[in-house]
Amino acid sequence: TQLLEQSPQFLSIQEGENLTVYCNSSSVFSSLQWYRQEPGEGPVLLVTVVTGGEVKKLKRLTFQFGDARKDSSLHITAAQPGDTGLYLCAGARYQGAQKLVFGQGTRLTINP
Amino acid sequence: ETGVTQTPRHLVMGMTNKKSLKCEQHLGHNAMYWYKQSAKKPLELMFVYNFKEQTENNSVPSRFSPECPNSSHLFLHLHTLQPEDSALYLCASSLGTYAELFFGEGSRLTVL
Repeated sequence: TQLLEQSPQFLSIQEGENLTVYCNSSSVFSSLQWYRQEPGEGPVLLVTVVTGGEVKKLKRLTFQFGDARKDSSLHITAAQPGDTGLYLCAGARYQGAQKLVFGQGTRLTINP
Repeated sequence: ETGVTQTPRHLVMGMTNKKSLKCEQHLGHNAMYWYKQSAKKPLELMFVYNFKEQTENNSVPSRFSPECPNSSHLFLHLHTLQPEDSALYLCASSLGTYAELFFGEGSRLTVL
């Protein structure tokens, strides 16, 4: 059973279009992180959201944490080829000690 | 440059070989991790070390043997691996367990 479901798993769009990636769970998380991984590289942290309903912006990227802290979304405006990569969400849960659970990722391709 | 360096970047080994992966972090972090990344699967946590003490072994087969001589260095010793162990092995570090992770670029392992 996948604890964190990301959708879509694959997305290929044209430069300039908008898109949204979703990260859903039935579990509550204390915080949620988004990473981007480019080919041949390790994941790099983009943002951490902590409060239910929180919205964070990083240039053309907008991240939102659901009110119930069970889900999150990543919206990209006017996508650029440089946005191409694997986007991973990771939720932190406290189970005796804090644990991090990753989604399976969304592979995004932005075509020029 | 994330401050986490992994070597080698690529490794091809036979099922009877013994090899090691190395990870070094220059960030002053106290926690280090090994993750396995396979196609179409979420990142799988393998081992966690905090202040060079192993705090988590996520039911990893004994053919994978971690070593953490100090908070800056982490090794993964490999012995009699199977072809299904072929994957990208990612090292990460953080300040505090499961805080924001800083990943290395990964070691791409192919088992023949």
